[in-house]
Order: sequence, then C-alpha cells, then structure tokens
Amino acid sequence: QKEVEQNSGPLSVPEGAIASLNCTYSDRVSQSFFWYRQYSGKSPELIMSIYSNGDKEDGRFTAQLNKASQYVSLLIRDSQPSDSATYLCAGTNRDDKIIFGKGTRLHILP
Amino acid sequence: GAVVSQHPSWVICKSGTSVKIECRSLDFQATTMFWYRQFPKQSLMLMATSNEGSKATYEQGVEKDKFLINHASLTLSTLTVTSAHPEDSSFYICSARDAGLSYEQYFGPGTRLTVT
Repeated sequence: QKEVEQNSGPLSVPEGAIASLNCTYSDRVSQSFFWYRQYSGKSPELIMSIYSNGDKEDGRFTAQLNKASQYVSLLIRDSQPSDSATYLCAGTNRDDKIIFGKGTRLHILP
Repeated sequence: GAVVSQHPSWVICKSGTSVKIECRSLDFQATTMFWYRQFPKQSLMLMATSNEGSKATYEQGVEKDKFLINHASLTLSTLTVTSAHPEDSSFYICSARDAGLSYEQYFGPGTRLTVT
C-alpha cells in the first residue's frame, strides 16, 4: 500500500454543493495530516492541518480524521469555481517527513 | 504569517551552465527546508531535505553533486543546479517547516527553470 493514497479524479461538483475529498494512509504515516490546494502552474498552499480524531472546521473547509480507519477527508461547503484545483493530502511519517498523495483534481461546475 | 519566498520566479539558461535558486522564510525561522521538483501534470517529487548547519539529505535517485544545497541560515536555503541540461527543465519548489509549529510546511511560489 502506498503511504498516502488519493483518487486522482477529476471530481466534478456543481457550484454551491459540498465537495468531498478523501484520502487513506498506511501504517507508515503517523500523527499529523494536511490538506494542500494547488492551482495549475502554482505551488501548493496549506489549507488545513489536523492532528487528532474528529472534525476541524475553518470557514467553508472541514477536515475529518479517523485514525482507526486510517482515513482523512476534506469537505468544501458552498463550492465556488475558484475552488477548482488539485487537492493534495499529506501526512508525516516516522522520520517526521511529510509524504504527499498524488492529488485529486476538483472541478466546480458553474 | 508563514511566508516563503523564492528567487528567481523563472529562469532560462543555456545547457552546461549552473543556476542558483534561493528560498527564504520571511517571517519565521526554518530549521528544515525541503526542495521539490514537479514536471507538468505530475505530482511533487521530494529531492532533498535541508537542515540548517548540516549537509542535505537527498532522496534516492537525486544526484547530490548535480543539485547542490546549502542551508546557510535559519531563513535561507539555496539550490544550485550544476551543468544544467534540458531534462532538468522543471518547476522547482522549496518549502520550509516553521520551527515553532508542529510539522506544518509552507511552500514558496516556485521557480520555473528552462534549459535550452
């Protein structure tokens, strides 16, 4: 199993709906998890970090972590066309190095 | 806060020349900086981890003599691509970990290198 896995997409969501992005991770990835957004031709931007089980909300974004299922997700409420980007899930391994998934492309349909 | 800058943002050089890219953390101290490369429509590839005051740790398959990394201070790391070739053309991105925060890593805007 890869350390951090994501569906590459594209995931198409109508404007105003909730976009749900999912990520699973292996035993080699430990405590800290992150979601980054990357627009085409730009560098990644940190949107959320989550360290403990449960939900963490920040504006329209909610990150969810379930360590028992080794699953982390990102919900985007009231999706906007400007949310169209590639979303990278990441977690730290035992060497404290951040391991990135390959990303999920999200398209918000106007 | 947590701003990372890179310079230059883009560079074109001739094959065989060397190019230096600077990465600076502007409002925090970064004990660790990372260098990534990303080819079009591909995922980020970690090249090396740079720790202030010590030698960089390179990922498997990355030539340390070709990609020279110097982490001179808590706010500056440089990547020098030596004897560049067209296949080195890529988007090079640095990131920095804030020494005061748990593992959060912030990316610079990237440097687009084209070798002709």
